Amino acid sequence: ILNVEQSPQSLHVQEGDSTNFTCSFPSSNFYALHWYRWETAKSPEALFVMTLNGDEKKKGRISATLNTKEGYSYLYIKGSQPEDSATYLCAPPPNSGYALNFGKGTSLLVTP
Amino acid sequence: DTAVSQTPKYLVTQMGNDKSIKCEQNLGHDTMYWYKQDSKKFLKIMFSYNNKELIINETVPNRFSPKSPDKAHLNLHINSLELGDSAVYFCASSPHATGERSYEQYFGPGTRLTVT
Repeated sequence: ILNVEQSPQSLHVQEGDSTNFTCSFPSSNFYALHWYRWETAKSPEALFVMTLNGDEKKKGRISATLNTKEGYSYLYIKGSQPEDSATYLCAPPPNSGYALNFGKGTSLLVTP
Repeated sequence: DTAVSQTPKYLVTQMGNDKSIKCEQNLGHDTMYWYKQDSKKFLKIMFSYNNKELIINETVPNRFSPKSPDKAHLNLHINSLELGDSAVYFCASSPHATGERSYEQYFGPGTRLTVT
């Protein structure tokens, strides 16, 4: 099981603010990193799967970067909107088996 | 069309009972999973099945048993329910693929289990 740390644990921003949070993971034997978005009372949805060092992915106002050498990934949200309020989970796949070991998530609240 | 479905959505039962939660996926995925959202809202893996073979079994009590009648279904059976089993249980599936698509999880809507 790979140890995954996410920070901050929670974040409260105003509508229109840009924000970012971090996922840290052991850099050895890296395979891929997943980001998921989990709205309250719903189920998690995949945002990004990142595999290459230096990779940057974007979906609308949300983007993510990956540094496999130092073991971290950043998730950025530009111009936060109330509908961005959710818990953002990251997970590196394990070296064996198929299940994801999720971090504890960053809970984002965007208020108007 | 629902990709990953779970039934029931809500389940209220008494301690000591035996219950099952059903999961079905119509995505043609090879691997299915059960996760538990614990009291602190964290998502923890319980089981995964790949081609009818249990390949991960975390530190889950043996009162919990997954049953996979075919590749599209992974049901969760729970015997002798305890108060601490109250949680939201999520089923998920993922494709057998290489590179970025591998392990990508598609989650069901969750089943809220309440044990009284």
